[in-house]
Amino acid sequence: DQQVKQNSPSLSVQEGRISILNCDYTNSMFDYFLWYKKYPAEGPTFLISISSIKDKNEDGRFTVFLNKSAKHLSLHIVPSQPGDSAVYFCAASKDRDDKIIFGKGTRLHILP
Amino acid sequence: EAQVTQNPRYLITVTGKKLTVTCSQNMNHEYMSWYRQDPGLGLRQIYYSMNVEVTDKGDVPEGYKVSRKEKRNFPLILESPSPNQTSLYFCASRLAGQNTGELFFGEGSRLTVL
Repeated sequence: DQQVKQNSPSLSVQEGRISILNCDYTNSMFDYFLWYKKYPAEGPTFLISISSIKDKNEDGRFTVFLNKSAKHLSLHIVPSQPGDSAVYFCAASKDRDDKIIFGKGTRLHILP
Repeated sequence: EAQVTQNPRYLITVTGKKLTVTCSQNMNHEYMSWYRQDPGLGLRQIYYSMNVEVTDKGDVPEGYKVSRKEKRNFPLILESPSPNQTSLYFCASRLAGQNTGELFFGEGSRLTVL
């Protein structure tokens, strides 16, 4: 049973526009959510996180929104840049020390 | 430089030949974990360790063993590899109780079992 779902395998966005990556989860016990970015031939790198006590966290061009009632979170990238082309993984955990469960990833293509 | 180092980065082996993928981190992290990445399946956790001598199964532990005798090292052992263990493997680590839950990943080890 997939607890963290990224239903869009890929997404193409024009450079300079907003990229919105979506993630749904099924386990209401999750209280910590993270986004990781992965380039080919490299390990994933941490991008941004949000605790369940918040509904928004912003870091530069990246903003994560959390809707607990809908069990949905999204990552907004504004403006999108060529270097943002990568695979993005959504992840969740029940607390800070619990194991982290990843979604299948969404491949983002930034078009020139 | 803070890093997680995996070896080997690439390996081709045959069914049944025992192998070990090493993982070492220099950040004094308590928590270490192994993941495998497969097309269409994302990152799946194999085993994790909360500290020395403490290990636990992840979502796909079958066919794997781990040990945590030292804080910095967390080797992944395939006693009798099979073709369905052909995958890209990542080791990761983090501080226990870290506010962001940020995991630091190694660069990956691509394993092919013939």
